Amino acid sequence: KAGVTQTPRYLIKTRGQQVTLSCSPISGHRSVSWYQQTPGQGLQFLFEYFSETQRNKGNFPGRFSGRQFSNSRSEMNVSTLELGDSALYLCASSLGIGAGRVKTQYFGPGTRLLVL
Amino acid sequence: QKEVEQDPGPLSVPEGAIVSLNCTYSNSAFQYFMWYRQYSRKGPELLMYTYSSGNKEDGRFTAQVDKSSKYISLFIRDSQPSDSATYLCATYRYGNKLVFGAGTILRVKS
Repeated sequence: KAGVTQTPRYLIKTRGQQVTLSCSPISGHRSVSWYQQTPGQGLQFLFEYFSETQRNKGNFPGRFSGRQFSNSRSEMNVSTLELGDSALYLCASSLGIGAGRVKTQYFGPGTRLLVL
Repeated sequence: QKEVEQDPGPLSVPEGAIVSLNCTYSNSAFQYFMWYRQYSRKGPELLMYTYSSGNKEDGRFTAQVDKSSKYISLFIRDSQPSDSATYLCATYRYGNKLVFGAGTILRVKS
């Protein structure tokens, strides 16, 4: 079974630009979560989608947004990029939300974003 | 104060040593406790999860949770160079997000 895929794997942008990252979950997984990972802050939760609805949101500004499509694929968008947005963005998929997520959550390899 | 505290290390040990990785958490409502391993340039992978206090063993790995002191531990026996990675603890309570520790960098020297 194919794992979680994320595209692109690497991205370089300049301040003020916007970026869209894509995540394809494992087949049959309906929940997709997004995380930002930086050396200083570690792994921080951005948001979670299930059945095309945002179920949980972390403490990030409104510049960070996401959506999920009917096939469970998800995209996240960051507008008006800042230098501090440079990070590894990880997507994780799981069968569902709730406690089942604990056992079935698998991460993708991430998209490394560099903002200049 | 962060909800989950974890010493970032790095922790350097010789091959064959017993490794002890630890986290503390602040919210007694957390119900699930997980350990993830992350190799360089990869996403985290789930190593173990526990629901209650006590020990859970899987091969060379033992996860331990003490809810009374809000302490989570991962022990690695007979450590190997292939165990060199970042280890992240995480907690979860129903209806909420997973909360991760900062991660501990482990280096096992051959």
